Amino acid sequence: QTVVTQEPSFSVSPGGTVTLTCGLSSGSVSTSYYPNWFQQTPGQAPRTLIYSTNTRSSGVPDRFSGSILGNKAALTITGAQADDESDYYCVLYMGSGLWVFGGGTKLTVL
Amino acid sequence: EVRLLESGGGLVQPGGSLRLSCAASGFTFSSYGMSWVRQAPGKGLEWVSGISESGGDRYYANSVKGRFSISRDNSKNTVYLQMNSLRAEDTAVYFCAKQNFNYHYGMDVWGRGTTVTVSS
Repeated sequence: QTVVTQEPSFSVSPGGTVTLTCGLSSGSVSTSYYPNWFQQTPGQAPRTLIYSTNTRSSGVPDRFSGSILGNKAALTITGAQADDESDYYCVLYMGSGLWVFGGGTKLTVL
Repeated sequence: EVRLLESGGGLVQPGGSLRLSCAASGFTFSSYGMSWVRQAPGKGLEWVSGISESGGDRYYANSVKGRFSISRDNSKNTVYLQMNSLRAEDTAVYFCAKQNFNYHYGMDVWGRGTTVTVSS
């Protein structure tokens, strides 16, 4: 059973930079997993930030960027703002049409 | 504007069935794959099922394989999720998501979700 791992929580100061990661319980994440990143606030639908590792979805500010760092996918937020306080989820493509989400990271801006 | 509108959620007894619908607008529906993703109360997102543009390829998470069935009607711009043998652990908000121009690039636009509650 493949498990996708994310930090349960993270905090960042306003104006600061934070990098959230998305890994595998066994093995390394590469571009072949086409990592996606989503932002979700309570009671709302997810919003796509990044798809296919590093492509920003339409309307997403360039403060958000995706990459592969070492053996994990990464989402970097620069110049953090109060309304970046949300849950962030990654999802990885496992092939054969299957996707697996990470458990999500609760980001606090304070 | 791309829009996805889910419907069909509700309260159902364990062992029962429910069919969710997702009506799409604002894009050429028949050119994109679609997915269903759910979120149990207080929990994270879980990918449930996906379908190719034509409907010829259908994919399922292990947790729902054999119980759920995804389909689409490109003439009605609608994707469906037939849920049978429902269990308490299927209780969740179910989101419909449009896949990107290549299915494996990921989810692009999301609906607001419909709530399914499985309880006696």
